[in-house]
Amino acid sequence: DVKVTQSSRYLVKRTGEKVFLECVQDMDHENMFWYRQDPGLGLRLIYFSYDVKMKEKGDIPEGYSVSREKKERFSLILESASTNQTSMYLCASSPRGGRGDNEQFFGPGTRLTVL
Amino acid sequence: DAKTTQPNSMESNEEEPVHLPCNHSTISGTDYIHWYRQLPSQGPEYVIHGLTSNVNNRMASLAIAEDRKSSTLILHRATLRDAAVYYCILRAIYGGATNKLIFGTGTLLAVQP
Repeated sequence: DVKVTQSSRYLVKRTGEKVFLECVQDMDHENMFWYRQDPGLGLRLIYFSYDVKMKEKGDIPEGYSVSREKKERFSLILESASTNQTSMYLCASSPRGGRGDNEQFFGPGTRLTVL
Repeated sequence: DAKTTQPNSMESNEEEPVHLPCNHSTISGTDYIHWYRQLPSQGPEYVIHGLTSNVNNRMASLAIAEDRKSSTLILHRATLRDAAVYYCILRAIYGGATNKLIFGTGTLLAVQP
């Protein structure tokens, strides 16, 4: 069974802390994504990566950075967590290719609370 | 990017068919129509996609209007496990290496026993 796993389901951090959210996929996918989901706003793309060490900003990258040192792992970093980063964070992966019929596979999400 | 419009919520009874509509009047000829759903406390999951013809798979059917300005996701016999938010998303055939998904707010489907 193909899988995208995220390091934590629930996380509580304090304002100003550095936070790492980890995502691992076992499907040998080239593309990986980080989204956040907030009530009334749907899913919004933070960053994505189409290859090892490659990254591109999504729609809301401010306050976040990412790291992709290995193909299977994509990390989201909150350099200095703030309360407005309290949210559900979702990781996804998909095969490479520009074809619009590629499926994205999502992890279960990490609910982050910043106090 | 072409946008989609869906009702905020719908209700259905268990074991009855459900028709979830999606309007996409500005769709281009090179856009696929995708449907994802998100069960409570889970990440989204792929349901089905199509380009011009109607499509069937084990989860659902997708009916696409002849002018492609609207589509309908059909669940043939709703179960309680189908209660979820359903997203209709357009994706360009050739959207670059990443071809990201753009989610709207979707339709919250409630299924009554």
